[in-house]
Amino acid sequence: RKEVEQDPGPFNVPEGATVAFNCTYSNSASQSFFWYRQDCRKEPKLLMSVYSSGNEDGRFTAQLNRASQYISLLIRDSKLSDSATYLCVVNKFGYSTLTFGKGTMLLVSP
Amino acid sequence: NAGVTQTPKFRVLKTGQSMTLLCAQDMNHEYMYWYRQDPGMGLRLIHYSVGEGTTAKGEVPDGYNVSRLKKQNFLLGLESAAPSQTSVYFCASSWGENQPQHFGDGTRLSIL
Repeated sequence: RKEVEQDPGPFNVPEGATVAFNCTYSNSASQSFFWYRQDCRKEPKLLMSVYSSGNEDGRFTAQLNRASQYISLLIRDSKLSDSATYLCVVNKFGYSTLTFGKGTMLLVSP
Repeated sequence: NAGVTQTPKFRVLKTGQSMTLLCAQDMNHEYMYWYRQDPGMGLRLIHYSVGEGTTAKGEVPDGYNVSRLKKQNFLLGLESAAPSQTSVYFCASSWGENQPQHFGDGTRLSIL
């Protein structure tokens, strides 16, 4: 099993739709989880951290399921500006580093 | 409010040439990282540093060297560039272990 796995997509959704991405991770001892956003030919930017109890930031909701070893990102009321690649990030247990998934591409159309 | 600054932004090299990529951060972060990103491969960690004067190998360290002589700077060197090192290079920093990383806007390097 890969350390961090994501469906590459693309997910094509209309404006206003709700879309969800999942990401699975292999190491049950991982403690830190994040979602990053990367626009085409730009640097990754932190979207939100993922906490054990789940957390929300405006239209974005992140959840963690330790039993099944996955994290999710829910985007409500999609905007054209949400079109990007979303990277799932998990700490590499025993190292001072993070492992980035390859990303899920989201395309929001008018 | 610069954050993480990478220089240069673009560079074209010939096979066998050497060069150094500079990363500077003004957030007083302890940890710094160098990644490369290739199509279909995602971000791969080259080397990282957990503090001034320290360096460690990441996932793909071969062909690269790094130095962290000052806390705010992290240098990535290519001693003898190869076409396989054509990539987009990102530097990042964080204040601690397993904390969110802040990225520079990348260096696009082509090796002919």
